[in-house]
Amino acid sequence: DTGVSQDPRHKITKRGQNVTFRCDPISEHNRLYWYRQTLGQGPEFLTYFQNEAQLEKSRLLSDRFSAERPKGSFSTLEIQRTEQGDSAMYLCASSLEANTEAFFGQGTRLTVV
Amino acid sequence: AQRVTQPEKLLSVFKGAPVELKCNYSYSGSPELFWYVQYSRQRLQLLLRHISRESIKGFTADLNKGETSFHLKKPFAQEEDSAMYYCALMNNNAGNMLTFGGGTRLMVKP
Repeated sequence: DTGVSQDPRHKITKRGQNVTFRCDPISEHNRLYWYRQTLGQGPEFLTYFQNEAQLEKSRLLSDRFSAERPKGSFSTLEIQRTEQGDSAMYLCASSLEANTEAFFGQGTRLTVV
Repeated sequence: AQRVTQPEKLLSVFKGAPVELKCNYSYSGSPELFWYVQYSRQRLQLLLRHISRESIKGFTADLNKGETSFHLKKPFAQEEDSAMYYCALMNNNAGNMLTFGGGTRLMVKP
């Protein structure tokens, strides 16, 4: 599968723990996006990267959240001191350049207990 | 602020019946709209975008700026059309990020 891949697919963690998710975009895609989707809702934008630069962050992204894309290829999303409200599907998407189709990964489902 | 509304959470039709999934938006600029589909246990994927004016899998969607709508239509539903459908609006001023509606689950009964 040469699409966007995300790891892990599922994560169960205790409240207060830190978690990190990884996204590998389609090769040569410059733009990488993170979205969050809670049950019964559509995906909500969190942040995006143009190569290694993080250019936009949603107000949904509290200071417990941090995202990186150090070499302009894969990206990580870390959540510190997880809360039950963080339970959601975290989706990654990539696109070749501006105004082109965004391809989504299968997501990481986080459950905070 | 931009917003996308899909008023129906669930739409159930019989095979062969026409389908219309509603989508309304609010956006101060020139809108660019998309429909994404998610089949069972598969990833979200693009179905169509309004600027391409294509018909994909028999689906079409027309942008109506007067009514701020982008409804998805298909004249004859097939069982394999059963899926979650999301309408999305691109923000060209914020990295082309997408604002999604809440989604409509389409169930096509035999």
